[in-house]
Order: sequence, then structure tokens, then C-alpha cells
Amino acid sequence: GENVEQHPSTLSVQEGDSAVIKCTYSDSASNYFPWYKQELGKRPQLIIDIRSNVGEKKDQRIAVTLNKTAKHFSLHITETQPEDSAVYFCAASISGNTPLVFGKGTRLSVIA
Amino acid sequence: DGGITQSPKYLFRKEGQNVTLSCEQNLNHDAMYWYRQDPGQGLRLIYYSQIVNDFQKGDIAEGYSVSREKKESFPLTVTSAQKNPTAFYLCASSIAEDEQFFGPGTRLTVL
Repeated sequence: GENVEQHPSTLSVQEGDSAVIKCTYSDSASNYFPWYKQELGKRPQLIIDIRSNVGEKKDQRIAVTLNKTAKHFSLHITETQPEDSAVYFCAASISGNTPLVFGKGTRLSVIA
Repeated sequence: DGGITQSPKYLFRKEGQNVTLSCEQNLNHDAMYWYRQDPGQGLRLIYYSQIVNDFQKGDIAEGYSVSREKKESFPLTVTSAQKNPTAFYLCASSIAEDEQFFGPGTRLTVL
């Protein structure tokens, strides 16, 4: 079955700097790759997703890139702000309507 | 925050007791899922259902049971066979080819 590896497990950046989180997946049939942000004690919330027919997607300060050949995808956050501090999870699935397989998460701390 | 709800928010279980976690959605989603979250482990799939009266085991189904008698509801029972049930339980739902929406979660603690 699918296996998703996520790195790093913790990341600290200065406010205004960029943050990059990387994930790899094992199942070449996976074609849906969402990223979730989870604040302490809250539910995960989707921040951006990408499908296999697209190499890059951007939404304001957040971007995701996908390399299907290498089976990895990355989350890029520019101009980080203290409110970006949270745990970020990547995930993969064959479609949006099949179970997601999650990475173990990255705890991002943005230092003011 | 409407759409998908879970209850209770906090639940305490004694040894040997079965407990049921509620998950309801009014989004008209066909698929529903249960995940367990432990510190440093990410989210692991317990059970999922893509249609009423049908469900499949996930990676960590042992000690858990579910039912899907209505499209809107997907309750999870944590049985006494689950030896380490203390965790944060998240229910999610989705419509075909779209994102999964998560409920607010239930934090279960064994006394």
C-alpha cells in the first residue's frame, strides 16, 4: 500500500523567511496530494491540494510542487507570519474520494 | 464550522468498557472516514465507508467497529479489545474527487 514520508519533523524559521516541507510517496497510482494545517487541539484544515496533471499550484503565499517521476511533492510558504505556526501534514491518495495516507507531520514555528 | 460534527468532544473510558463516538455530516457526502491521531504519528485510518451499508477496514481496525446505516452518520465503537485507545479521533467526509473535510474531533482517555 501507499507510504508517505514527510521531512523535516520540526522546522523553525524567522518571520518573513520562507519554509519548505517535503514529502515522498511510494504508490505511482496516487494522483491527489493535499496539504493540511492543524493548530493545537483543532481539526486539520485543507490549505492547498494538487493533482497529478499539474506540476505546480499557488495560492497567495502558499505553493505546492509535484514531481511525479521522482514521486515527491513539496509545500512552500513565503513571507512566513506567526499565525503560520502549526503542524502541517501532507497526504496522498488515488483520488479525493479514497482514504488519504498521511505523512507524520511537520511542526512549523515562526519566530517573531 | 457546520457540516460535519463529532460528539462528545471529550470522552473517558474505564477499562473493559465499550464506548461509541458519534460522527454526523449534512454535506451529502458519500464517503466517510475515521482516523486516529497520536502524538508524532500523523493520522492513521481506522475504517472508511464509501456508500451506505458498506465499509472497509483501514490500517488499524483491530479493536474498533463501525456501522453506516444512514448516509449522514458513521459512528465508531471503541471496544474493550482495543488495548491502547487513548488518542484523538477524527472523522472526515468527502464527495467524489474532492477534498476531505474533518470534524472537530473527540479526545478519548482511558481511566
